[in-house]
Amino acid sequence: GAGVSQTPSNKVTEKGKYVELRCDPISGHTALYWYRQSLGQGPEFLIYFQGTGAADDSGLPNDRFFAVRPEGSVSTLKIQRTERGDSAVYLCASSLWGGTSGAQETQYFGPGTRLLVL
Amino acid sequence: KQEVTQIPAALSVPEGENLVLNCSFTDSAIYNLQWFRQDPGKGLTSLLLIQSSQREQTSGRLNASLDKSSGRSTLYIAASQPGDSATYLCAVADRDDKIIFGKGTRLHILP
Repeated sequence: GAGVSQTPSNKVTEKGKYVELRCDPISGHTALYWYRQSLGQGPEFLIYFQGTGAADDSGLPNDRFFAVRPEGSVSTLKIQRTERGDSAVYLCASSLWGGTSGAQETQYFGPGTRLLVL
Repeated sequence: KQEVTQIPAALSVPEGENLVLNCSFTDSAIYNLQWFRQDPGKGLTSLLLIQSSQREQTSGRLNASLDKSSGRSTLYIAASQPGDSATYLCAVADRDDKIIFGKGTRLHILP
């Protein structure tokens, strides 16, 4: 497909469990972003990858959240010891170059993963 | 810290009406401002992007304006249609190279 894809589309888990959310960016896009959108809110920045490295992880709420992009394409957002407050839609976006002007480029968003922590 | 506010939070109008969605931001040092559309269960689609040096952008029935000095933007939708029903998000690219979103305006066009 030509767009950003995310799996799973929905995830229900129990408090305290570990979850992984996957993002497949548009082929050839260097930059990848993760956002979290709580009900009734706009998306909030979590982390930004430039290639394989996390260029900015200042939006991660705490050390239970971690993300990787080992080969510079697919990324996985990992949440340990999930809490009910982690329930949200997790959005992934990619852009062609990123870099110091990453936010100035058009970002293409995936459909999101809806996470529900019971 | 940059904050983006959108008014109104929700809006219902009859089909065919012209309407305006408002967005304000607290720090005028932005690279650009974007308007996105979000349909239920879907991701975000970029509608219009206005660079900081520009005053407006148009695409079809949509027109977005930007007044950077006053920290305001409007999205004008002409001749609204039921298919325009969605949440519209305003977002600015700030000096820290992040995109800061507003909470959105939920628009419902009545057939």
